[in-house]
Amino acid sequence: ETGVTQTPRHLVMGMTNKKSLKCEQHLGHNAMYWYKQSAKKPLELMFVYNFKEQTENNSVPSRFSPECPNSSHLFLHLHTLQPEDSALYLCASSQEMTMNTEAFFGQGTRLTVV
Amino acid sequence: AQSVTQLGSHVSVSEGALVLLRCNYSSSVPPYLFWYVQYPNQGLQLLLKYTSAATLVKGINGFEAEFKKSETSFHLTKPSAHMRDAAEYFCAVDSGNTGKLIFGQGTTLQVKP
Repeated sequence: ETGVTQTPRHLVMGMTNKKSLKCEQHLGHNAMYWYKQSAKKPLELMFVYNFKEQTENNSVPSRFSPECPNSSHLFLHLHTLQPEDSALYLCASSQEMTMNTEAFFGQGTRLTVV
Repeated sequence: AQSVTQLGSHVSVSEGALVLLRCNYSSSVPPYLFWYVQYPNQGLQLLLKYTSAATLVKGINGFEAEFKKSETSFHLTKPSAHMRDAAEYFCAVDSGNTGKLIFGQGTTLQVKP
């Protein structure tokens, strides 16, 4: 248990569906991240939020839409996804955005797009 | 730009044998380096990190890594493997002192009885 909770753990959705992934941390961290983990590829940083403000969008398609209503919660809204978007989506948080702080990861949401 | 290369996508050792997982990095600035472990159906957990203090870094579960600037390496070792060490291991470098991690492709460690 890392203190970062992601729901749901598994999600199957059609290409026309709209769904959301949720991430929650009560560690008092100020930075939150979304990563995508695909088979045979390195983890890819998608979005970064620092003090609720988005500071990084790593060329992510607009069918992925993040939302950070407060420092404890981070959402990833999904719509009209493609099969190649099937992956493990990992949320992480850190006290602040420096390399000296450890990133804590959630268990991930396994997304399958059919 | 920073990058990380993990040599060997799969490593298999016998229980009790030495574990050596290789990581080489590329960085235009002094790097901060990390090793994470991912057990099946779990998120990533930090094993250890190098932040420009001692070059030999000790982590959890008996793992350690040595930063070698001349070789641009940060290999992960453990003297004696346990069955519970079977997992995927990721080396990562901080992307310019921002807290944003760039990961290697990962190495799956198999431990045979």
